Amino acid sequence: QVQLVQSGAEVKKPGASVKVSCKTSGYTFTAYCMHWVRQAPGQGLEWMGWINPNSGVTSYAQKFQGRVTMTRDTSMSTAYMEVSRLRSDDTAVYYCAKDVKLEVAYNPWSWGQGTLVTVSS
Amino acid sequence: SYELTQPPSVSVSPGQTARITCSGDALPKKYAFWYQQKPGQAPVLVIYEDSKRPSGIPERFSGSSSGTMATLTIRGAQVEDEADYYCYSIDTSDKRRGVFGGGTKLTVL
Repeated sequence: QVQLVQSGAEVKKPGASVKVSCKTSGYTFTAYCMHWVRQAPGQGLEWMGWINPNSGVTSYAQKFQGRVTMTRDTSMSTAYMEVSRLRSDDTAVYYCAKDVKLEVAYNPWSWGQGTLVTVSS
Repeated sequence: SYELTQPPSVSVSPGQTARITCSGDALPKKYAFWYQQKPGQAPVLVIYEDSKRPSGIPERFSGSSSGTMATLTIRGAQVEDEADYYCYSIDTSDKRRGVFGGGTKLTVL
């Protein structure tokens, strides 16, 4: 069955960077795009961006362009999401979510368990 | 940027029908998807492509879309359906971008 297992919780200082991993199994990693979604404490879901694991092409929400980088390692069937220049309002649970298509941000279907990133001085 | 609008809260008694709406200008042309999220858990897809139900989702969950509004309906809502519900669709200007509605807190009591 499809499984997305994310890396563990992180605590970072303002200005630092964080890289969250999403290791997949149970399907062909390069056949479906991967979304990243975050949720600040007590807030709603926020779509951050998407990577095509086959080509490496990415698409980011305007808010995150220039500060978020999504990459993948096809040999490890793992997607990564890095946020740089962290601020306190980046404190959130970050989710990866597998789509059912490859070329469009169609439908985050299967989700990882989430990774809590806390930004605090 | 494209937005999807949901009511912040909906409240029903057990056994009643709950309806949660999601409005967006592109919904006549783009599918809506619905997610359920319970506290401390990852979201779960409950409706895809406006009205289809994934396997394992109870039949009391249904979806529809008309014009610029999509609706999630829970017939005979149960206490365990109390959760946050989010709609999702593709950005009108770029099919490689997604957008979530602000979420609706469903209270069943």
